[in-house]
Amino acid sequence: AQSVSQHNHHVILSEAASLELGCNYSYGGTVNLFWYVQYPGQHLQLLLKYFSGDPLVKGIKGFEAEFIKSKFSFNLRKPSVQWSDTAEYFCAVTGTGKLIFGQGTELSVKP
Amino acid sequence: DTGVSQDPRHKITKRGQNVTFRCDPISEHNRLYWYRQTLGQGPEFLTYFQNEAQLEKSRLLSDRFSAERPKGSFSTLEIQRTEQGDSAMYLCASSSMGGNYNEQFFGPGTRLTVL
Repeated sequence: AQSVSQHNHHVILSEAASLELGCNYSYGGTVNLFWYVQYPGQHLQLLLKYFSGDPLVKGIKGFEAEFIKSKFSFNLRKPSVQWSDTAEYFCAVTGTGKLIFGQGTELSVKP
Repeated sequence: DTGVSQDPRHKITKRGQNVTFRCDPISEHNRLYWYRQTLGQGPEFLTYFQNEAQLEKSRLLSDRFSAERPKGSFSTLEIQRTEQGDSAMYLCASSSMGGNYNEQFFGPGTRLTVL
């Protein structure tokens, strides 16, 4: 069965701390991988995506993610978080069109 | 605003009533998707269209749910005989071949509360 697992349900960090959110997927075949972000009161926005090529992808607002095929992982990283990064983060995978999402990680950044 | 739009943004209804939601995709996006999101969970796929053809439906989509996209532009999602378990955020997304079908753009959602 296709699935996405996000390891952390709620992460609390202080400003300037480094961030890594874990994401593992189970999917047979070629995958496309995404991280979406949902800021409070706003709709889902694409943070970054991996389709092929360089497994280290850079997204908006200083975020990056690394695709490790052997580990079925696509972890999200940011070297120094800001208060404005407070949001919910969703990892998603697709191969045929529909997106399969993880349950999300709520990130709270303390000023 | 040229993003995905959804109407209404909020709907409160009594159990047993029918409700209908509308989604307008980004202009010229020929794929349109419906998802449902409950509190503390990621969005779950319901169904999607390519132009007016409904290509896939989730098993989550019981026979009380029906979706249409009659002219290949906007879509409607109808829930008949609503139940309290239908309370959720209903999200619409669209994508295009030109931008890689797999990159989906989401609307603000319709929050349904069934009393």
